[in-house]
Amino acid sequence: AQSVSQHNHHVILSEAASLELGCNYSYGGTVNLFWYVQYPGQHLQLLLKYFSGDPLVKGIKGFEAEFIKSKFSFNLRKPSVQWSDTAEYFCAVKENAGNMLTFGGGTRLMVKP
Amino acid sequence: NAGVTQTPKFRVLKTGQSMTLLCAQDMNHEYMYWYRQDPGMGLRLIHYSVGEGTTAKGEVPDGYNVSRLKKQNFLLGLESAAPSQTSVYFCASSFRTSGSRTDTQYFGPGTRLTVL
Repeated sequence: AQSVSQHNHHVILSEAASLELGCNYSYGGTVNLFWYVQYPGQHLQLLLKYFSGDPLVKGIKGFEAEFIKSKFSFNLRKPSVQWSDTAEYFCAVKENAGNMLTFGGGTRLMVKP
Repeated sequence: NAGVTQTPKFRVLKTGQSMTLLCAQDMNHEYMYWYRQDPGMGLRLIHYSVGEGTTAKGEVPDGYNVSRLKKQNFLLGLESAAPSQTSVYFCASSFRTSGSRTDTQYFGPGTRLTVL
């Protein structure tokens, strides 16, 4: 079965620091990749997604992610975080021909003002 | 558009009681999903539906049943609640997910369920 690993469970940064959150998955075939964000008390919202083409994907709020097929990775980055980025971030993967998303365990990010 | 809505927002049950969670979407999406969210485990798929009248099991289906009698609604039922079903439940919908293109899943606000 597909699995998704987010190695950083909790990350604490100061404002303006750079962010990189790791995501690795296990499936060897064609995949679709997503990062979702959950702000405190809110539902999940899509940050960005990759399904084909340029492996560097830009999303909302200055986030980007890079798909590296050889490393089975889809790491999320932001050059300068803000206090408002405090949230939980989830990586998710779907086999291209399948119907189900598999989520990682999530990374809680706290940005100190 | 309201998007994806869920009722109720909170519920406390005693072990053995039953309840139904309702998910509604107004985006004319074909696909609907029920997930549970537990600390450190991300979201896990319980059941999903690829169209009106069809349902399928996800990763953690045991103890739950679902029905999709209307395209816009997806119901999740707990026939005999257990403490292990204490969780936050999220519904999601998408236009389609198969083939070379995939569409985003849109999530509802969640239902926090506690089983005593």
